[in-house]
Amino acid sequence: EAQVTQNPRYLITVTGKKLTVTCSQNMNHEYMSWYRQDPGLGLRQIYYSMNVEVTDKGDVPEGYKVSRKEKRNFPLILESPSPNQTSLYFCASIAKGQGGYEQYFGPGTRLTVT
Amino acid sequence: DAKTTQPTSMDCAEGRAANLPCNHSTISGNEYVYWYRQIHSQGPQYIIHGLKNNETNEMASLIITEDRKSSTLILPHATLRDTAVYYCIERGTASKLTFGTGTRLQVTL
Repeated sequence: EAQVTQNPRYLITVTGKKLTVTCSQNMNHEYMSWYRQDPGLGLRQIYYSMNVEVTDKGDVPEGYKVSRKEKRNFPLILESPSPNQTSLYFCASIAKGQGGYEQYFGPGTRLTVT
Repeated sequence: DAKTTQPTSMDCAEGRAANLPCNHSTISGNEYVYWYRQIHSQGPQYIIHGLKNNETNEMASLIITEDRKSSTLILPHATLRDTAVYYCIERGTASKLTFGTGTRLQVTL
């Protein structure tokens, strides 16, 4: 079954404690992306990756890092989390087809930073 | 940045067609219009996309005006499970997908 998985699904942490949210896809897609969702602001792109070792900033990259060492995985790293990074995070894997692209989203990770 | 305009919320009776409008007046010639939906706090789900022709799939139909400045997503027979936030998105590349605040569709009995 084609899917995007994220772990953990829920996380409560404290300010400054480094954390990683993993994302994995089994569809062999080249493009992957991270979003955060906050009430009233919709989904905003954090980082995206066009292929292994190729990443670029989205709209709200401050405070985040990513890596793409292999095609299937695209972890999101918060080196020093702060309370304003409390949010719902989604990873997406992107299929290029005829006439555009389709994004497949993971189930989400709800992060609380205290 | 590309920007779309959608009504904040809409209601629809179960079994009736739900017609969700979207304005994308800044769309350029090679940009597709995409529709996604998000049920509660689940990951957004792709519905349909189009460039200038009307499109239909098992989930919905997409009607795009001739000038491409607006479109309508049609759910032909809405059910309670279609209650969700629906996002209309315009974009030109795989790397950028800009979500607005969407339309909250409430399907009622």
